[in-house]
Amino acid sequence: EPEVTQTPSHQVTQMGQEVILRCVPISNHLYFYWYRQILGQKVEFLVSFYNNEISEKSEIFDDQFSVERPDGSNFTLKIRSTKLEDSAMYFCASSELGTGRNEQFFGPGTRLTVL
Amino acid sequence: AQSVTQLGSHVSVSEGALVLLRCNYSSSVPPYLFWYVQYPNQGLQLLLKYTSAATLVKGINGFEAEFKKSETSFHLTKPSAHMSDAAEYFCAVSDPGSGYALNFGKGTSLLVTP
Repeated sequence: EPEVTQTPSHQVTQMGQEVILRCVPISNHLYFYWYRQILGQKVEFLVSFYNNEISEKSEIFDDQFSVERPDGSNFTLKIRSTKLEDSAMYFCASSELGTGRNEQFFGPGTRLTVL
Repeated sequence: AQSVTQLGSHVSVSEGALVLLRCNYSSSVPPYLFWYVQYPNQGLQLLLKYTSAATLVKGINGFEAEFKKSETSFHLTKPSAHMSDAAEYFCAVSDPGSGYALNFGKGTSLLVTP
């Protein structure tokens, strides 16, 4: 069964460093998303991406964040200068279509720890 | 914006007992509602979804949920809990105002005791 994959599973970085989180969405899906879950809190939407551009972004997704689809398979989230409060589980998701009724398939997540 | 509220951050049931996890929604338009489950150290897996067809939705692993417009609720139930049901459960609503991004509730941790 097709699945969303994410690498690495765990990333430890120093405050101020840049990190890139990688995702491979399901191959025939067109819409891609990043969410994050700070420990003990709810899952929060960061950004959606379609047709090589950002569709929507939340207020969390500030200038420190960027997304890219560098090739036909990968979808990346970059944090330019990490802060302690960026420590969270980051989930990538994809869906076949961008309508409300379509299921978003989630990857296993990348746990980011900023020291 | 559409939102959901999950009542009860922790629910404990005995094995074999009824599972009831509560979710209420706030939406100005007919909502699309989802229940996801997160097992320890894993990602989110869809249990079921409501997309304005049948109000009683059946999902995987014996779970079901009923959409009740009059109560703005979408509670998740399972007649008989198994030990393997222990996990975090998230209710979510698709928000047309943010390109159908999912707005999640805070989650309910289900503990199943022998």
